[in-house]
Amino acid sequence: QVQLQESGPGLVEPSGTLSLTCAVSGGSISNSMWWSWVRQPPGKGLEWIGEIYHSGSTNYNSSLKSRVTISVDKSKNQFSLKLNSVTAADTAVYYCARDNGRNFDNWGQGTLVTVSS
Amino acid sequence: QSALTQPPSASGSPGQSVTISCTGTSSDVGGYTYVSWYQQHPGKAPKLMIYEVNKRPSGVPDRFSGSKSGNTASLTVSGLQAEDEADYYCTSYAGSNNYVFGSGTKVTVL
Repeated sequence: QVQLQESGPGLVEPSGTLSLTCAVSGGSISNSMWWSWVRQPPGKGLEWIGEIYHSGSTNYNSSLKSRVTISVDKSKNQFSLKLNSVTAADTAVYYCARDNGRNFDNWGQGTLVTVSS
Repeated sequence: QSALTQPPSASGSPGQSVTISCTGTSSDVGGYTYVSWYQQHPGKAPKLMIYEVNKRPSGVPDRFSGSKSGNTASLTVSGLQAEDEADYYCTSYAGSNNYVFGSGTKVTVL
């Protein structure tokens, strides 16, 4: 059973860069899947951020594209998210998830990132 | 890209059925069969309940069913149980390698 686990700083200063990593265990990140990031502001709904394939190909939400970079490290079986120029509006629980054919069938537990000075 | 429209809340008594709608456009819900539904309990990660409009992953009770007509998809929970009380989100592939989520529906078991 594939498991995903997010990690990274829980507090980021405004205008800084949010950096998170998702470790994949129980399976190879090089399987024919896309790997996504999804976020959820406190008390609000879900928002898809973007995704990456093991080859390094990426797709991003057009509303965040200018600030987002998703990368993969196959040697560590993990993928990462960087979101720059953050504001309080980027405060959210960030989830990593596996895209198994245009549905998200496996999720990490989520990690809360707060943007504040 | 605007979020798909869901009713904020829905409710039913144990044993009854509840249906949640998810309305989009011909560019997302109406244009693809890639509509999925997620259940989220407070403080927990979402869980896939329905994919490709009406398919259930292994382990999901057959009380959960999905359908689609035009630009609106629906999730029906039959035989409501206390553990079904949760938030439910739809999502759809929106073309050009993009996804859009619904606004979410809180289901209350009375």
